[in-house]
Parts: sequence; C-alpha cells; structure tokens
Amino acid sequence: SQQGEEDPQALSIQEGENATMNCSYKTSINNLQWYRQNSGRGLVHLILIRSNEREKHSGRLRVTLDTSKKSSSLLITASRAADTASYFCATETSGSRLTFGEGTQLTVNP
Amino acid sequence: GAVVSQHPSRVICKSGTSVKIECRSLDFQATTMFWYRQFPKQSLMLMATSNEGSKATYEQGVEKDKFLINHASLTLSTLTVASAHPEDSSFYICSAVREANQPQHFGDGTRLSIL
Repeated sequence: SQQGEEDPQALSIQEGENATMNCSYKTSINNLQWYRQNSGRGLVHLILIRSNEREKHSGRLRVTLDTSKKSSSLLITASRAADTASYFCATETSGSRLTFGEGTQLTVNP
Repeated sequence: GAVVSQHPSRVICKSGTSVKIECRSLDFQATTMFWYRQFPKQSLMLMATSNEGSKATYEQGVEKDKFLINHASLTLSTLTVASAHPEDSSFYICSAVREANQPQHFGDGTRLSIL
C-alpha cells in the first residue's frame, strides 16, 4: 500500500491563484520530497525537506512538514498555466528508497 | 542540474519479445538506481532497487525472472522485460541517486506497448 496519501486528488484554479496540496504518511521518515510530473514524462524534483526541518522555500514553492501529524503541504503561489502537472509527495525511510503518494493533478486555467 | 537519460522513450512490439531499457546518469556516479512502473493516472510503483556490482532488490510481487535488472557500472542500469506480454504494457521510469537523503533524478520514462 502507498505510504503517502495526497489530497486533493485533483485541483483546478485560475492563473494567479495559490494552490495547496497536502500529503500524509504513516511511518517515521528521513525526509519528504515533492516531485512534479508533466504528462507522459519523468519526474522533476522540487523540494526535499528533512525530518528535522519544518518549512522550506524555493521560488514560488513553500513546503511545510509536521512530523507530529505525519503530514506535509506544498503551496504554489501566483500560479501559472505552466504549473499544470501532477504533483507527488514521496517519503524516504531508508537506503534512498522512496514511497510515493497518489498524487494531485493540478490544472491552472489561463 | 543532474541528468538521467532513459532509452528508448517508446517501444511497440509483439508478444513474446524481450525488451531492454537503458538508464544512464550522465553527469554523476549513481550509487543506486531505481526502476518504477506507472499505470495511467496512477502513482509510481517501485519495482526494484539496483546497486552497482550487486544483485537488484525486488519489491514484493515483482517477478525477478520477468524483469531482469543489470547494473554494470555506476552510470548504467538496464531493465529487460523478458518475453513481454500485453499485461506488461506500461510506463517504466528509472531514477538515480548519489547517496541517501538526496533527491532522485528521473529519466523521461519508456512507454512500452505489447501487441
């Protein structure tokens, strides 16, 4: 079974709005990572947040991690049509092995 | 940034054919490479973990004799789908990582269609 569960499964917003995606997991982790996948392509790494970190920023992306609740969120601010993609969280427990969540399909309408 | 090359990007072949997919890390030595399978509109499912010079570690339910993995060097891993059948049709993606607690770098995937 998947370690991570993400919500929402699908999100549709207008350009300029913010998009928030959530991820929950079940076991202790070394880190949690967020990836983006355009249709029919491989995954692109966005942010890695370690278990002792609570928040990380990269450009328009903000990731939070709450290890007590075993949850993480990805916020994309001022969204653009080019942000349309599937977003996955993944948890690393040991040996670089990742377990992926089910993903959120984000659609940003021009 | 780090680049992982996966080849071929698309394969269409007849049932019973064996198909080899290559995954290369172009600008770093990968201690570990991973092979995933992805069905339409679903998440990635880890198939196996590949370490250079040692046998791959397969996830539960993945047939070792069907999905043969060779990790000949720190920059190359191959996945061979032996005697492929229509149910093996899927999107296969590889990734490479320098060390633990670092991001994985993904290839662009291989769309395998078995007729």
